[in-house]
Amino acid sequence: EAQVTQNPRYLITVTGKKLTVTCSQNMNHEYMSWYRQDPGLGLRQIYYSMNVEVTDKGDVPEGYKVSRKEKRNFPLILESPSPNQTSLYFCASSRRDGLTDTQYFGPGTRLTVL
Amino acid sequence: AQKVTQAQTEISVVEKEDVTLDCVYETRDTTYYLFWYKQPPSGELVFLIRRNSFDEQNEISGRYSWNFQKSTSSFNFTITASQVVDSAVYFCALSDPSGGYNKLIFGAGTRLAVHP
Repeated sequence: EAQVTQNPRYLITVTGKKLTVTCSQNMNHEYMSWYRQDPGLGLRQIYYSMNVEVTDKGDVPEGYKVSRKEKRNFPLILESPSPNQTSLYFCASSRRDGLTDTQYFGPGTRLTVL
Repeated sequence: AQKVTQAQTEISVVEKEDVTLDCVYETRDTTYYLFWYKQPPSGELVFLIRRNSFDEQNEISGRYSWNFQKSTSSFNFTITASQVVDSAVYFCALSDPSGGYNKLIFGAGTRLAVHP
């Protein structure tokens, strides 16, 4: 089954404790990205990657890091989480053929930073 | 800059009513894509439709229909004979080429509650 998976689905942590949210897709998609969803703001892109070893900032990159060492994986790293990073996070993937292809989203990770 | 406005924050209807969710967008691009996603209470994002700027034909899929009007920069979504299972948050999104062609700019979402 074609899918995007994320782990963990739920996470409660404390300020300053480094964490990683994993994302994996099995569709051989070149493009992957991370979004955060906040009430009244919709979803906003954090980082994206157009292929292995190619990543760039989205609209709200502060406090986050990413890496793309393999095509299927795109982890999101919070080196020192703060309460304002409490949010619902989505990983997405799509083909990349020069047009805006349909983004397929993972199930979401609900993060609470105390 | 790209922008998507979903002016309706919440809509409440009774089952079998028709309901239209509004979406207005701003873009300077001549080629762009518009999307609708559904987020049910379980939280996942479900893709509903992708429409490019050159295709202004309305689309119907079962009880769902979409009205794309380039002249008013709108891409409205209508659910006919609504059902309780339609209760969800619905997001309209616009493509933004600044993020490697596949970046989406989302509206704030419209929460639809369908009551029995």
